[in-house]
Amino acid sequence: DAGVIQSPRHEVTEMGQEVTLRCKPISGHNSLFWYRQTMMRGLELLIYFNNNVPIDDSGMPEDRFSAKMPNASFSTLKIQPSEPRDSAVYFCASSWDYNEQFFGPGTRLTVL
Amino acid sequence: DAKTTQPNSMESNEEEPVHLPCNHSTISGTDYIHWYRQLPSQGPEYVIHGLTSNVNNRMASLAIAEDRKSSTLILHRATLRDAAVYYCILRDGRGGSNYKLTFGKGTLLTVNP
Repeated sequence: DAGVIQSPRHEVTEMGQEVTLRCKPISGHNSLFWYRQTMMRGLELLIYFNNNVPIDDSGMPEDRFSAKMPNASFSTLKIQPSEPRDSAVYFCASSWDYNEQFFGPGTRLTVL
Repeated sequence: DAKTTQPNSMESNEEEPVHLPCNHSTISGTDYIHWYRQLPSQGPEYVIHGLTSNVNNRMASLAIAEDRKSSTLILHRATLRDAAVYYCILRDGRGGSNYKLTFGKGTLLTVNP
């Protein structure tokens, strides 16, 4: 199994631009999680899905952030418009129900 | 959310056992104790979890106090590859909207050659 796949691995953009991060979970997993990691705030859960349905999005910082899971093999996290304070490493993780989570390699986002 | 307390950092020597402590005095009856670790420049990875009994797997052992207010992750023989941030996390076993993995600051483990 290839594990959780995230793309792009690195993204540099300018303030105000739209950013889309992508995640392919491990085949057969039905739960998907989006996290953000910064030095100041550590690792934070943004949103998670179970069977493609958002269960808890209380960690999404504001309306500029949105996440979708159109099917069991794909999810996106979109930031529009992006701001410098959104610079962070964004991790996607998947699991079977609420068992151990498998994390992807992360997307390092830099907003100038 | 139930909280955990871990030392900020610990040091160990290669090939020696390491005991990483975690306090969780407000743990509830449905909380599982999970350990994850994050190697430099990588995403976190699952290490082990337990509810009441001690647990062993190929990576580590988890010793849980009888009152469940504390636990210890045991690496039997540390290697340089075990240098990472170790997170002790309580996860509500009821699932659904009660489910979350809330990462704290963790313990930075340094392994000396």
